[in-house]
Amino acid sequence: KAGVTQTPRYLIKTRGQQVTLSCSPISGHRSVSWYQQTPGQGLQFLFEYFSETQRNKGNFPGRFSGRQFSNSRSEMNVSTLELGDSALYLCASSLGQGLRYEQYFGPGTRLTVT
Amino acid sequence: GDSVTQMEGPVTLSEEAFLTINCTYTATGYPSLFWYVQYPGEGLQLLLKATKADDKGSNKGFEATYRKETTSFHLEKGSVQVSDSAVYFCALSKIYNQGGKLIFGQGTELSVKP
Repeated sequence: KAGVTQTPRYLIKTRGQQVTLSCSPISGHRSVSWYQQTPGQGLQFLFEYFSETQRNKGNFPGRFSGRQFSNSRSEMNVSTLELGDSALYLCASSLGQGLRYEQYFGPGTRLTVT
Repeated sequence: GDSVTQMEGPVTLSEEAFLTINCTYTATGYPSLFWYVQYPGEGLQLLLKATKADDKGSNKGFEATYRKETTSFHLEKGSVQVSDSAVYFCALSKIYNQGGKLIFGQGTELSVKP
């Protein structure tokens, strides 16, 4: 079974632009979560989607948004990019919600904002 | 709020040495606890988990015991190999707002020398 895939793997954007990252979960998985990883702040939770609904949101500004489609694929969007948004963005999928479902992580998208 | 604290790295060991990476947590309720590993250029892989007090998680020679009385989940391995070189993250998970999310420690880099 294919793992979690994220596209693109690397991205360079300019301050003020917007960006969309994509995540395809493992087949059959219905929950997708997003995390931001930076050297300074570590791994921080962005949001979680289940059945096309956002179930949980981390402490990030409104410039960060996401959505989930009926096939469970998810996208996250960052508008008006800032230098501090440079990070590795990780997507994780799981069969369902709840603590008994293991989260499987993708390789991440490395975003660099110049 | 809920949080996870790990010992700072980098940790440098010789092959076949004993490994301990300390992890303590602060959380209300009954979180599940996890250790994830991240190899260079890759996403996170679940190494082991424990869902209730006194549970021991184990995998690939690594072990950790959920100690509620000391709020700890220290990672141990009896004999490390060069291939264990990676960054290790301790994390907790609870139900938040009907969804779950992982709260990570800062990560501990392990370097094993031949």
